[in-house]
Amino acid sequence: KAGVTQTPRYLIKTRGQQVTLSCSPISGHRSVSWYQQTPGQGLQFLFEYFSETQRNKGNFPGRFSGRQFSNSRSEMNVSTLELGDSALYLCASSPMATGANVLTFGAGSRLTVL
Amino acid sequence: EDQVTQSPEALRLQEGESSSLNCSYTVSGLRGLFWYRQDPGKGPEFLFTLYSAGEEKEKERLKATLTKKESFLHITAPKPEDSATYLCAAQTNTDKLIFGTGTRLQVFP
Repeated sequence: KAGVTQTPRYLIKTRGQQVTLSCSPISGHRSVSWYQQTPGQGLQFLFEYFSETQRNKGNFPGRFSGRQFSNSRSEMNVSTLELGDSALYLCASSPMATGANVLTFGAGSRLTVL
Repeated sequence: EDQVTQSPEALRLQEGESSSLNCSYTVSGLRGLFWYRQDPGKGPEFLFTLYSAGEEKEKERLKATLTKKESFLHITAPKPEDSATYLCAAQTNTDKLIFGTGTRLQVFP
């Protein structure tokens, strides 16, 4: 059973650029969540999608956006990159959106902004 | 404000030296308390879910417990392969998952 796949694994961008990260969930999982992980702040919730609809959103500026496709694959986009956006971006999937669901995480996309 | 705090930030143990990790939470309507393990360069991996105060779950050398304000992850006779960062997360009644910043555990032979 394939796990959660995130691409690219590593990328380097410069300030002002934009970036798109991709996440393929476990087959059959319809909920996809995104988290930003930094050494100082830990994992911070970005947003969650279920059946192509955003269900929940964290406290991040509008430069951070996402979407989910009909096959449950998801992308997140960060525009006008800032140095502070350097982080590990983790995607997680679960079968459902409600209840105490166990998340299965991907290995992450490590973004460095120069 | 929903908050999850883990302590200590880092813990160094000798192989076989048992200890506990703490997770204190303040959330609106706890739906579940989760423990994850994260190895360097990897995403977090699920360990346990606890739903109500008094509940306990065990897996090999790990045991998780839950009270109304905190959760503990007890590690009995740890081995070097238990070295990792342990994360706890509280799920609120609006289905948001709030993570703590983790405890980095190192077990030396």
